[in-house]
Amino acid sequence: KAGVTQTPRYLIKTRGQQVTLSCSPISGHRSVSWYQQTPGQGLQFLFEYFSETQRNKGNFPGRFSGRQFSNSRSEMNVSTLELGDSALYLCASRNRDNIEAFFGQGTRLTVV
Amino acid sequence: DQQVKQNSPSLSVQEGRISILNCDYTNSMFDYFLWYKKYPAEGPTFLISISSIKDKNEDGRFTVFLNKSAKHLSLHIVPSQPGDSAVYFCAASAGNNNDMRFGAGTRLTVKP
Repeated sequence: KAGVTQTPRYLIKTRGQQVTLSCSPISGHRSVSWYQQTPGQGLQFLFEYFSETQRNKGNFPGRFSGRQFSNSRSEMNVSTLELGDSALYLCASRNRDNIEAFFGQGTRLTVV
Repeated sequence: DQQVKQNSPSLSVQEGRISILNCDYTNSMFDYFLWYKKYPAEGPTFLISISSIKDKNEDGRFTVFLNKSAKHLSLHIVPSQPGDSAVYFCAASAGNNNDMRFGAGTRLTVKP
């Protein structure tokens, strides 16, 4: 069974641009969560999608948005990029009956 | 809102000795706790978990202890091995439909 796949692995963008990150969950997993990891801050929860609906949301500005498709694949979009958005963005999927989540390798975003 | 706290950013132990990683939480609604391990350039991988109805869970060299009254949990690794060197994240969840909140992580270094 394939794991969680995130694309692209690395991305460099200019301040003010927007970016879209993609996550394909483990087959059969309908919950997809997104996290931002920065040094010293751990993993900050962005949002969770389940069956194409946003179920939970963290404390991030509206520039951060996401969506989930009928095949459970999810995208995360960040508009008007700021230097502080440089981080590792991690996606995790889980089976509805389990709390344990499985993570992808992440997308390293650098804003210059 | 840092509901899950790992106050030690780093820990260094000698191979063969015990490693104790600590985690505190503030939200009394958390009822499930997990530890994840992360190597550089990889996503976090699930290590061990504990439900709030238990105070101890053991899996091989890894044991997690939960003290609900103190809102504190710890991960014990015995004996520690150089391959255990990684960043360890504590996570907590409130109910099956709520997502996990993570601590900032503790970098464990096991010296040969």
